Amino acid sequence: EDKVVQSPLSLVVHEGDTVTLNCSYEVTNFRSLLWYKQEKKAPTFLFMLTSSGIEKKSGRLSSILDKKELFSILNITATQTGDSAVYLCAVSLGNEKLTFGTGTRLTIIP
Amino acid sequence: GAGVSQTPSNKVTEKGKYVELRCDPISGHTALYWYRQSLGQGPEFLIYFQGTGAADDSGLPNDRFFAVRPEGSVSTLKIQRTERGDSAVYLCASSLGVGETQYFGPGTRLLVL
Repeated sequence: EDKVVQSPLSLVVHEGDTVTLNCSYEVTNFRSLLWYKQEKKAPTFLFMLTSSGIEKKSGRLSSILDKKELFSILNITATQTGDSAVYLCAVSLGNEKLTFGTGTRLTIIP
Repeated sequence: GAGVSQTPSNKVTEKGKYVELRCDPISGHTALYWYRQSLGQGPEFLIYFQGTGAADDSGLPNDRFFAVRPEGSVSTLKIQRTERGDSAVYLCASSLGVGETQYFGPGTRLLVL
């Protein structure tokens, strides 16, 4: 059975801290791994990763994929209160649907 | 350009009733997906369309659930004889084509009393 596991389930840090969110997966027919940020209802796209070892970066956020060890990390540096959200990791399989983890709830304290 | 839109944003219904949830994808996107998200969980796949046809409906939980996309754009998810366990946020996503990034709408929060 395809599985995506995120850790930690929740995280509370102070503004300015750096956080690392983890996503591991056990799936057949892997195509890509995606990160989304969900603040209220709509998950908003952050990154799509298909190749190992190539870091994707957008401002204070960055992510990397390790296809040998089957995991990805999402880093956020100099966190701000606006970063508070649930961060979802999803794996795209050969059949096009996304399989999601349960998410990491990140809370930034001012 | 407009993103994915979904209506209604909230729907409260009684057990046993029929509901329809609508999704308007991003213009030009040929692939459309429906997911369901229960509290504290990640979204779970229901069905996806490539054009007008349902390419994969393996996630629909039972035959009370049905979805259509008659003209290859707007899609409607239909739930018959709703049950309390159907209460969830129903998310729609679209992508330029199969295998491309999926962009999500704001969802419809369904509450079955």
